[in-house]
This record gives sequence, structure tokens and C-alpha cells, in this order.
Amino acid sequence: DAKTTQPPSMDCAEGRAANLPCNHSTISGNEYVYWYRQIHSQGPQYIIHGLKNNETNEMASLIITEDRKSSTLILPHATLRDTAVYYCIVRVAPQSWGNTPLVFGKGTRLSVIA
Amino acid sequence: NAGVTQTPKFQVLKTGQSMTLQCAQDMNHEYMSWYRQDPGMGLRLIHYSVGAGITDQGEVPNGYNVSRSTTEDFPLRLLSAAPSQTSVYFCASFAAVGTGELFFGEGSRLTVL
Repeated sequence: DAKTTQPPSMDCAEGRAANLPCNHSTISGNEYVYWYRQIHSQGPQYIIHGLKNNETNEMASLIITEDRKSSTLILPHATLRDTAVYYCIVRVAPQSWGNTPLVFGKGTRLSVIA
Repeated sequence: NAGVTQTPKFQVLKTGQSMTLQCAQDMNHEYMSWYRQDPGMGLRLIHYSVGAGITDQGEVPNGYNVSRSTTEDFPLRLLSAAPSQTSVYFCASFAAVGTGELFFGEGSRLTVL
């Protein structure tokens, strides 16, 4: 699976959009971008994933550049409850996983400030 | 649906003791895995399983043992606890077919004195 690079920390004002970048310049054509977050000491929580098209769900939007070398997770109206560590992970398509489990990096610590 | 259930939530051990962290999932997921998370660090993969009877090592397998006799259960055994194994342990599962979303348990906080 391709490696990812994320800033170690970011701040965001409450009510504003939080834009979390992720660099994955070595991504392959069959690799997806996944985002998870971990609030305090809880287990990580799935947010969203995508291959090449932009994706949106009730939690966030995922913007993937045309060359797929980077992506941005957008929380449109950040709240204090969004304070967490956000992990960007790149991995092959689910049907091709075989024996390759998900590997997490250190992520970005997002602090939403009132 | 209970999802992924881990027990115990907290445990204190003395060096050299052994114990088993339990993990059970009720979603019929083929894949299960164990991670550890040390303070200020990301998650590191210990062991994983792609189905009953099949297990493999992750990044940091030393000192741990696993087995997968059923689809539902994936226990993690600490053979002889060491202070370096003080950590929070997370169990996770996901389906072989689907979006690839991992479902995590609430974690087991282990302290080895």
C-alpha cells in the first residue's frame, strides 16, 4: 500500500470548514483513499473513502486531485466534537485485499477551537 | 448489533504474567485484526486473520499469540507480560466484500507493572 504524508496538527475555528490535507504521491491506479478519525481514546471511526471521484456523505467530503497524488478531507462546519486525530490511508481495492490489512500512520491532530 | 466487543476494558498485570484479551464480532466479518496504540502514537498492527483457522503477523507481533477457531472470536494472548506491552489494544473487523470499512472495538487498556 502507498504511504501517506499528513501534517501532525491543525487548528480550526468552530463553525468553519476544516480542510485536512493528505499527500499520497506514490498511489497506484487500483488504490483507494480512506479516512478515519479517532476521538480521544476511542476506537477509530470510518469517515469516507474514494478512488478518483470526489465523494460526500453525511460526515464529510473527500476531494481527490486529478492526478490522485493528494486529497483533502473537508468537514464543512466543524464543531468541538470533531476534535480528533484524522488518519489518511491508501490501500488496494477491497476485492483485492488478500492478506493485506489496513496499516495506520500517525495522522493529523485536529483541534476545533470555540 | 453489538458490533465489535472487547474485554476486559482495563487490566493491570505484573511482569511475567500471562493473559488473554478477548475480541468478538457479530457481523460475520472474515477479517479481524489487533492493533496497539502507545501514547501519542498511531496504531500499530500486531496480528491479523483473514478467516477462521488463518492468522498472520503484523508489524509488532513479538510477545503476542493469536488463534482464530471461529469467525466470531479473535483472542490475543500475552505470553509473558513486559512493561513495554503497556498500551491500549484495539480489535477491528471488516467484511471481505464491501466498502472496506473497519469496525473497531472500544479498546482494552493494559498496564504492566
